[in-house]
Amino acid sequence: GQNIDQPTEMTATEGAIVQINCTYQTSGFNGLFWYQQHAGEAPTFLSYNVLDGLEEKGRFSSFLSRSKGYSYLLLKELQMKDSASYLCAPMDSNYQLIWGAGTKLIIKP
Amino acid sequence: GAVVSQHPSWVICKSGTSVKIECRSLDFQATTMFWYRQFPKQSLMLMATSNEGSKATYEQGVEKDKFLINHASLTLSTLTVTSAHPEDSSFYICSARGGDIPGPQHFGDGTRLSIL
Repeated sequence: GQNIDQPTEMTATEGAIVQINCTYQTSGFNGLFWYQQHAGEAPTFLSYNVLDGLEEKGRFSSFLSRSKGYSYLLLKELQMKDSASYLCAPMDSNYQLIWGAGTKLIIKP
Repeated sequence: GAVVSQHPSWVICKSGTSVKIECRSLDFQATTMFWYRQFPKQSLMLMATSNEGSKATYEQGVEKDKFLINHASLTLSTLTVTSAHPEDSSFYICSARGGDIPGPQHFGDGTRLSIL
């Protein structure tokens, strides 16, 4: 079957760094996406990894290890506006995104 | 770039009413559009996938006669919830993907539907 495992909730301090881990199992693999979703809003695209390694985009970086079925999203210099849910979404062999419940990140002053 | 507009943002209507939601890609051609439903604190649930000019592919358990999807052009898809009932109340979100496969899905702002 297809499965995504992320922590349900994480708490971090403003200005700090946080790493959100994701492990997945899919039928085939065509890359992995990270999305941010604020409460009551639609998701917004953050990053895409298809090859192993780290992709850096400003304060956000995303890492992928295909052999381990593992990815993480790294958020640096946390700001209060980063409080949101972060969704790890691998793409299967049919180019469909597989969605989990995401990780709710709470930023404290 | 990659802006998706979804309208309306909020709908409140009586039970039995049919509701149409529009999803437009404003600055790119959407080869594929997706319709999702999300209940509070739950994950996105894919309802159907539509390609321009062809019939939508519905996920298991989604009634195609109740949720009518039309993808008449490369920039517009519509979802009509027919004879809506209170249990259809939810957050409906569309997304669109351009010609790049694999490529990101870009989401509209969603439609909050409340059936009284």
